[in-house]
Amino acid sequence: GDSVTQMEGPVTLSEEAFLTINCTYTATGYPSLFWYVQYPGEGLQLLLKATKADDKGSNKGFEATYRKETTSFHLEKGSVQVSDSAVYFCALNPKTSGSRLTFGEGTQLTVNP
Amino acid sequence: EPEVTQTPSHQVTQMGQEVILRCVPISNHLYFYWYRQILGQKVEFLVSFYNNEISEKSEIFDDQFSVERPDGSNFTLKIRSTKLEDSAMYFCASSELTGGAYTEAFFGQGTRLTVV
Repeated sequence: GDSVTQMEGPVTLSEEAFLTINCTYTATGYPSLFWYVQYPGEGLQLLLKATKADDKGSNKGFEATYRKETTSFHLEKGSVQVSDSAVYFCALNPKTSGSRLTFGEGTQLTVNP
Repeated sequence: EPEVTQTPSHQVTQMGQEVILRCVPISNHLYFYWYRQILGQKVEFLVSFYNNEISEKSEIFDDQFSVERPDGSNFTLKIRSTKLEDSAMYFCASSELTGGAYTEAFFGQGTRLTVV
């Protein structure tokens, strides 16, 4: 079945550092890929998405590129802020209407001033 | 901006009791979902619901769980006889229907269920 694997956390960075959170997936066909973010005390919010190979999703300075050859969707940000502290979830969907999201384990990011 | 709302935000119940978690999906959405997240673990899919019936469910969604859309706005998850291992954050989500293609699921803030 479908699965998503994220790098183990937690990740602690200083403000303005470069961020990479690795995500790889296993799926049949060509799924859509997502990064969701969960700020403390809040629900899941879609951060960015990519629906086909080589697509780059971007939002709020975060980027991720859909790499079919390596089955990866790594999240990057060039300069993190304290306000980016949250849990980040990689997820996939097999592109069928109404179908489930499969999530990775989540990576806790803490950014210190 | 439209949002998915869940009530209550936190529920404490005794083992063996029935609980109902409530959700109001975004008004023009037609697909509804429940997910759960046990503390420190992955977010797991429970069930999806469309056109007044379950369209997909996971192996977690056994006979003690049920879902219902009792009126035009609410979507509920019932756990008939709670167990300690049902303690988790439960997320409701909804999405539009657009000709078979996937559309973004919008999540509520979650209900934290604690079974004691």
